[in-house]
Amino acid sequence: DSGVTQTPKHLITATGQRVTLRCSPRSGDLSVYWYQQSLDQGLQFLIQYYNGEERAKGNILERFSAQQFPDLHSELNLSSLELGDSALYFCASSLGVNTGELFFGEGSRLTVL
Amino acid sequence: TQLLEQSPQFLSIQEGENLTVYCNSSSVFSSLQWYRQEPGEGPVLLVTVVTGGEVKKLKRLTFQFGDARKDSSLHITAAQPGDTGLYLCAGESYYGQNFVFGPGTRLSVLP
Repeated sequence: DSGVTQTPKHLITATGQRVTLRCSPRSGDLSVYWYQQSLDQGLQFLIQYYNGEERAKGNILERFSAQQFPDLHSELNLSSLELGDSALYFCASSLGVNTGELFFGEGSRLTVL
Repeated sequence: TQLLEQSPQFLSIQEGENLTVYCNSSSVFSSLQWYRQEPGEGPVLLVTVVTGGEVKKLKRLTFQFGDARKDSSLHITAAQPGDTGLYLCAGESYYGQNFVFGPGTRLSVLP
């Protein structure tokens, strides 16, 4: 158990819809990262938050947005969903602003039909 | 854009065999990490290497960071079925903003 909690574990929705994925980081960790993992793309970095502020942005689509709340949990919002958005979405946390060791949650599997 | 390549992409071996998987890039990294991911779970950190030429051993696993800090290898001695999984390398840029992950090597160790 990494200490990182992600919900929901599985989500099935239709194209054009919007979903929200939730992540609670490991106790004491201030950084939260979101990654997308698909079979043909590997683990792609989306975005990082540190103590409520956006720290780094990767290959995140404009249809996607995220935020980190004062209690340090984070949400990833995916809108206008397309078939190609089907993937595993991982949240990871680390203690500090620089990366160090990443602790990953078990992921949220999104299926867009 | 910093890219990491891993080889082989897939590897299926018998229990007791030795194997080496590789992680290569044209970019220089301040550190490199290896993770193992099992089905239905998130990646779990195995090791972090920081110094060029560094070798770290974790039981039957030996990790090496290239002298030029652009590549790394993972050697497993006497592989066991419990070693089965997806092995990911991740390089940290000198700017320390995030890790770039390679596509992984999917290892299957047959009993």
